[in-house]
Amino acid sequence: DAGVIQSPRHEVTEMGQEVTLRCKPISGHNSLFWYRQTMMRGLELLIYFNNNVPIDDSGMPEDRFSAKMPNASFSTLKIQPSEPRDSAVYFCATQPDQETQYFGPGTRLLVL
Amino acid sequence: AQSVTQLGSHVSVSEGALVLLRCNYSSSVPPYLFWYVQYPNQGLQLLLKYTSAATLVKGINGFEAEFKKSETSFHLTKPSAHMSDAAEYFCAVSESGAGSYQLTFGKGTKLSVIP
Repeated sequence: DAGVIQSPRHEVTEMGQEVTLRCKPISGHNSLFWYRQTMMRGLELLIYFNNNVPIDDSGMPEDRFSAKMPNASFSTLKIQPSEPRDSAVYFCATQPDQETQYFGPGTRLLVL
Repeated sequence: AQSVTQLGSHVSVSEGALVLLRCNYSSSVPPYLFWYVQYPNQGLQLLLKYTSAATLVKGINGFEAEFKKSETSFHLTKPSAHMSDAAEYFCAVSESGAGSYQLTFGKGTKLSVIP
């Protein structure tokens, strides 16, 4: 199993641009989580899905952030427009029923 | 809401010395507890987990943790530190909801190992 796959691994963009982060979960895992990690705030849960349905998006910082899971094999996190304060490492994690979360390698985002 | 407190954002130990990383949690129900490790520029990897079975849990790389309900603690230990243990360690507690188990993470403890 390849584990959780995230792309891109690194993204550098300019303020105002749209950024799309992608995640392919482990096959059979029915829950998917998006996290953001910064030095100041640590690991923050942004949103999570169960069976492709968004369950809790209370961690999404503002309307500029949106996430979708159109099917069991793919999820995106979009930031539009991006701002320098969005610079962080974004992790996707997936989970089989009531078990451990498995993390992807992360996307390191820098907004100039 | 559940919470996790990790005492010490940075811990330094000598190679071969005991590693002790502290974690206290708050929970109104029996929790599931986890320790994850993050090496530089990598995602989080599971070290070990407690799910209401044995209170002493053994994990990978020689780490173990003991669940103490009376102290609401889940401290991580390793008898002898190795240089390769240098990383950031996160304690987490789970809560159930809508078929998924969200994790609440502590702020992390960065472990340095001195040769």
